[in-house]
Amino acid sequence: QSVLTQPPSVSGAPGQRVTISCTGSSSNIGAGYDVHWYQQLPGTVPKLLIYGNNNRPSGVPDRFSGSMSGTSASLAITGLQVEDEADYYCQSYDSSLSGSVVFGGGTKLTVL
Amino acid sequence: QVQIVQSGAEVKKPGASVKVSCKASGYTFTAHAIHWVRQAPGQRLEWMGWINAGTGNTKYSQMFQGRVTITRDTSAYTAYLELSSLRSEDTAVYYCARGRSNYQFYMDVWGKGTTVAVYS
Repeated sequence: QSVLTQPPSVSGAPGQRVTISCTGSSSNIGAGYDVHWYQQLPGTVPKLLIYGNNNRPSGVPDRFSGSMSGTSASLAITGLQVEDEADYYCQSYDSSLSGSVVFGGGTKLTVL
Repeated sequence: QVQIVQSGAEVKKPGASVKVSCKASGYTFTAHAIHWVRQAPGQRLEWMGWINAGTGNTKYSQMFQGRVTITRDTSAYTAYLELSSLRSEDTAVYYCARGRSNYQFYMDVWGKGTTVAVYS
């Protein structure tokens, strides 16, 4: 059971917009800790996609954006492309249990 | 450029220990934390712990408390993960990842992973 809850899967057609939610609680996202997102293409290493809620590392297209509200965060992908098909993970910090980094359960994005 | 190179695959018997290394290059080692994250086959990412590469202070996930030890050798730009009392459920890819700094809790550069298989 993950501390951060994500939908197991989402899908969309090329060119469409999809969002992936990440629901936390008052000890992580709700406490103001930043949310970060990682993309893991099939068979590859996770890659930092969004950091500090809505910042993109160099090289990440502006089709990817993040947002936060209350105890939840979202990753939006616009202009969906076939190569976006991957697993997406949110990550934050949780102050309970002596404090730790926490990941969401991951969301599989399928581009139809 | 920034690189993280991990040690090779391991096969262990239940009850044994494993030690995985993570050699960094291309940046000031002591300025960035090293995190360890594992991923069992077909499963999610699971954070195990981190080390402040400057001070050597560590923080471990409660899931692994008592079984995991993270250390570093600053002269060798290398961090280590040791996991003891291995069981079959510890079969996974173990990733070493650089923290954005010693005090920011996200990972900006990842190693390619080390596969650890535990079976009798």
